[in-house]
Amino acid sequence: AQTVTQSQPEMSVQEAETVTLSCTYDTSENNYYLFWYKQPPSRQMILVIRQEAYKQQNATENRFSVNFQKAAKSFSLKISDSQLGDTAMYFCAFTPSGNTPLVFGKGTRLSVIA
Amino acid sequence: DGGITQSPKYLFRKEGQNVTLSCEQNLNHDAMYWYRQDPGQGLRLIYYSQIVNDFQKGDIAEGYSVSREKKESFPLTVTSAQKNPTAFYLCASSVSGPGGTQYFGPGTRLLVL
Repeated sequence: AQTVTQSQPEMSVQEAETVTLSCTYDTSENNYYLFWYKQPPSRQMILVIRQEAYKQQNATENRFSVNFQKAAKSFSLKISDSQLGDTAMYFCAFTPSGNTPLVFGKGTRLSVIA
Repeated sequence: DGGITQSPKYLFRKEGQNVTLSCEQNLNHDAMYWYRQDPGQGLRLIYYSQIVNDFQKGDIAEGYSVSREKKESFPLTVTSAQKNPTAFYLCASSVSGPGGTQYFGPGTRLLVL
């Protein structure tokens, strides 16, 4: 079975600092897709970043970047220059291909402190 | 604007009652999904559909039913057989093809009276 594990239920970071959220996954697939979603207090799920397993280059989106280690099956999210608006639940997710459902981790609750 | 809409925002169910949650998308996506979110559980898949008139059960389909008569619509019915329906329900859709990103609606909060 494919699983996604987020080992940090809660984290906090000072405004303007950098924080890294961890995610590991288990799959026998060689090609797959990994995502980080953000869920703020409004509960709207928002895509943060997407990584294709066959691409060795780590994805980046402005202040958000990932450290994708395929051999270790690790997919961590780094948030630079943290802002108060980054306060949210963050979910790591995996899918082996398009049109197939996502497998989610249980989430990490991030609090950005002024 | 293109997007995914869910209604209602809040829904109250009485014992023994079936209720239907609406999900509509105008993104021209082929695939649609229903997830349930409980505190500390992440999101769990209820049903998904990759094409009109076809759908598959997810991990927690018992007590739920769906239909996919139109590409843009994927309603979820919570039946009386679902004994613990109180949760937040999220609908998503994606394009066809490998790695299609799923986009989510705003969710429906279901509470039991």
